[in-house]
Amino acid sequence: ELKVEQNPLFLSMQEGKNYTIYCNYSTTSDRLYWYRQDPGKSLESLFVLLSNGAVKQEGRLMASLDTKARLSTLHITAAVHDLSATYFCAVVYSGGSNYKLTFGKGTLLTVNP
Amino acid sequence: DSGVTQTPKHLITATGQRVTLRCSPRSGDLSVYWYQQSLDQGLQFLIQYYNGEERAKGNILERFSAQQFPDLHSELNLSSLELGDSALYFCASSVARGGGLAGAEDTQYFGPGTRLTVL
Repeated sequence: ELKVEQNPLFLSMQEGKNYTIYCNYSTTSDRLYWYRQDPGKSLESLFVLLSNGAVKQEGRLMASLDTKARLSTLHITAAVHDLSATYFCAVVYSGGSNYKLTFGKGTLLTVNP
Repeated sequence: DSGVTQTPKHLITATGQRVTLRCSPRSGDLSVYWYQQSLDQGLQFLIQYYNGEERAKGNILERFSAQQFPDLHSELNLSSLELGDSALYFCASSVARGGGLAGAEDTQYFGPGTRLTVL
């Protein structure tokens, strides 16, 4: 069974600081997603990472994937209050002709002025 | 606004009942995905349909079923409801050119969700 672990689960940081959220998974996969969820809102797709060494950047967020280490990181640069949200990673596991998408528990990020 | 619509926004029902949740994808998107979010289980992928056919199955219970119609809207049917089925149900859509679970560079666009409360 594919297990996806995010850490930390809670992150409180000051504006202007940098930090990294980690997503570890237990089974071989070559596709990983990052999503954002604002409080009381729906989900928003942030990044799709498809191959080892993939790096994607959007604004102050940068995501990377190391399939050998089974690790993805979401790096936040010079955080601003608008980045406060819950961030989820999700990993695709292909089993035969079927796919499964397993989510981490999410990281609640609070950016304080 | 993602362009994905879900109805109803809220649904309150009793145990043992059956409900239907509806999702209309963005124009041009062939794939629809259903997700469940609850405090107990977190976010779970339920099922994906691509152009009317089931494409991938996640943690969907046997009491639940879904279909995608020729006009590409989708319905999620939940029957014999239990208290533990209370959750937010999201659908998402994508172009899914590859047909698989969010194919290469495929972005999912999420609807606002249906909040189901089972009493």
